[in-house]
Amino acid sequence: EAGVTQFPSHSVIEKGQTVTLRCDPISGHDNLYWYRRVMGKEIKFLLHFVKESKQDESGMPNNRFLAERTGGTYSTLKVQPAELEDSGVYFCASSPRMDRVTQYFGPGTRLLVL
Amino acid sequence: AQSVTQPDIHITVSEGASLELRCNYSYGATPYLFWYVQSPGQGLQLLLKYFSGDTLVQGIKGFEAEFKRSQSSFNLRKPSVHWSDAAEYFCAVLEAAGNKLTFGGGTRVLVKP
Repeated sequence: EAGVTQFPSHSVIEKGQTVTLRCDPISGHDNLYWYRRVMGKEIKFLLHFVKESKQDESGMPNNRFLAERTGGTYSTLKVQPAELEDSGVYFCASSPRMDRVTQYFGPGTRLLVL
Repeated sequence: AQSVTQPDIHITVSEGASLELRCNYSYGATPYLFWYVQSPGQGLQLLLKYFSGDTLVQGIKGFEAEFKRSQSSFNLRKPSVHWSDAAEYFCAVLEAAGNKLTFGGGTRVLVKP
């Protein structure tokens, strides 16, 4: 069974540009989560999808961040325009409907905003 | 609000020695508890989890953790460390009715030959 995959693995952009991160959850997992770790800080929750619906987006830092999960499969997280403080590692995780509490993480996308 | 504290930012241990990583949480009820590991260049891998029952839980790679309600702790242990255990370790909690993990700051483990 393939794990959670994320693309790209690394991204370097300039301040003001747009970046889109993609996450493919484990096949059949209804729950999809985004987290991020900015430099020197804890890993923080961003949002949670159940299928295509946003269940909880309380961790989204501001309206420059937009997450979508069309069709309830893969998800994208767009940052527009990117700021310096957006640099960090963005993790995606998924969990199945019958065991929502065990979240399986992807390798993360390392974002550097210059 | 719940919180997780990992008091040790860095730990250096000799190969073959034992390892204990501390984790304390603040939460009104017993949460679900997890340990994840991030090896260099890798993502977060689940080592073990505690939901209820036996307070000593076994995980992958020879790790175990003990839940102590009186101390609000969930410390991770390994009797004999291998060089491949060099990584960053994260303790996390999930409230029973919730959906988001709350992580500690992580403990980076360096293994000396």
